[in-house]
Amino acid sequence: EADIYQTPRYLVIGTGKKITLECSQTMGHDKMYWYQQDPGMELHLIHYSYGVNSTEKGDLSSESTVSRIRTEHFPLTLESARPSHTSQYLCASSDSVIQETQYFGPGTRLLVL
Amino acid sequence: SQQGEEDPQALSIQEGENATMNCSYKTSINNLQWYRQNSGRGLVHLILIRSNEREKHSGRLRVTLDTSKKSSSLLITASRAADTASYFCATDPFTGNQFYFGTGTSLTVIP
Repeated sequence: EADIYQTPRYLVIGTGKKITLECSQTMGHDKMYWYQQDPGMELHLIHYSYGVNSTEKGDLSSESTVSRIRTEHFPLTLESARPSHTSQYLCASSDSVIQETQYFGPGTRLLVL
Repeated sequence: SQQGEEDPQALSIQEGENATMNCSYKTSINNLQWYRQNSGRGLVHLILIRSNEREKHSGRLRVTLDTSKKSSSLLITASRAADTASYFCATDPFTGNQFYFGTGTSLTVIP
């Protein structure tokens, strides 16, 4: 089991609410990632970070934002949730530059009503 | 998919049989990895093969890589019911900072 944690595991929320999905890892990894995955579908990278104070957008356009103030913490925030944000959100981290093995958290399943 | 396409999309076999799934990609890569995902969970890394390698083994897993065809295959031998999961390939391209996952193969092993 990887030392990467996500909370909450499940979230049901109404349209317009602000939400923050938490992700933390205790492996000291510099790189962290957020993916969005619909059931039975591929993963889409929405944000990534190469270290503290570094954040980049992935290929999939997302209305979410991220921050990286501490190495171990990479929260994702939606200012105003919409039904189209309903999905599973997976956080991952990796260390080595050459071998990019990614360690994934268990995911957060988000349902926006 | 931007990078990886896998086939078949779904595969159902009897316990004890071998399972083979394939991944094709579009650009030159540094390495290719295979991950497993149980329903509703995160992905777990299985095996990595570098672009200068052609075959790699890990337990009941065998991965091949053909860079000329831009394809890889994952073979699971002597399958078990516990192997039931989705399997994704992921590529680390030469250019760009992103890591691309394939569309996944859903494997069901019937006891």
